[in-house]
Amino acid sequence: ETGVTQSPTHLIKTRGQQVTLRCSSQSGHNTVSWYQQALGQGPQFIFQYYREEENGRGNFPPRFSGLQFPNYSSELNVNALELDDSALYLCASRTGTGVGYGYTFGSGTRLTVV
Amino acid sequence: KNEVEQSPQNLTAQEGEFITINCSYSVGISALHWLQQHPGGGIVSLFMLSSGKKKHGRLIATINIQEKHSSLHITASHPRDSAVYICAVRVGADGLTFGKGTHLIIQP
Repeated sequence: ETGVTQSPTHLIKTRGQQVTLRCSSQSGHNTVSWYQQALGQGPQFIFQYYREEENGRGNFPPRFSGLQFPNYSSELNVNALELDDSALYLCASRTGTGVGYGYTFGSGTRLTVV
Repeated sequence: KNEVEQSPQNLTAQEGEFITINCSYSVGISALHWLQQHPGGGIVSLFMLSSGKKKHGRLIATINIQEKHSSLHITASHPRDSAVYICAVRVGADGLTFGKGTHLIIQP
């Protein structure tokens, strides 16, 4: 299987709710990172997982959490949703953590919090 | 904190023009990426650079590590090149730090 698939593509949630976003990476891509992109801004790094362990985190509160599974899929969970969490959430995966490995991006999940 | 600055923020040009988009960053990096994002949100990786220059079709990317600067060039631009071009850098093994992007419009 090629490419990175994210689901759902669009989602509307109410403030205070919890949400789970999913990413299915290419076979062999054991590193996945998640990004939040607010309207008109560049993406911001949320966290990165390597072989099912978090190995890097940006400036996001603990209510943003994640999981990575052995089948190269991963999840981003956000608890206690706030209006400012409305954004496009992107996942990107690659093989390994070394400098020579490029990223493959998913098309994103657009989350709207009302 | 690593800052990534892109210029220009917006660029409108005529078909056939030579396009240059610039990216500057503030700390040492392990790699620099040029990405293309279309209105639907999907991001395509164009180049990954750690030194020198790379070329793919009409696209050329260069990086000067000493000056902490990279450029993306588009030769013989075409309306289908219209997109947001984003520079992103990687420090060590961490995730990417992105610039805000350059919104490019190529008019026929």
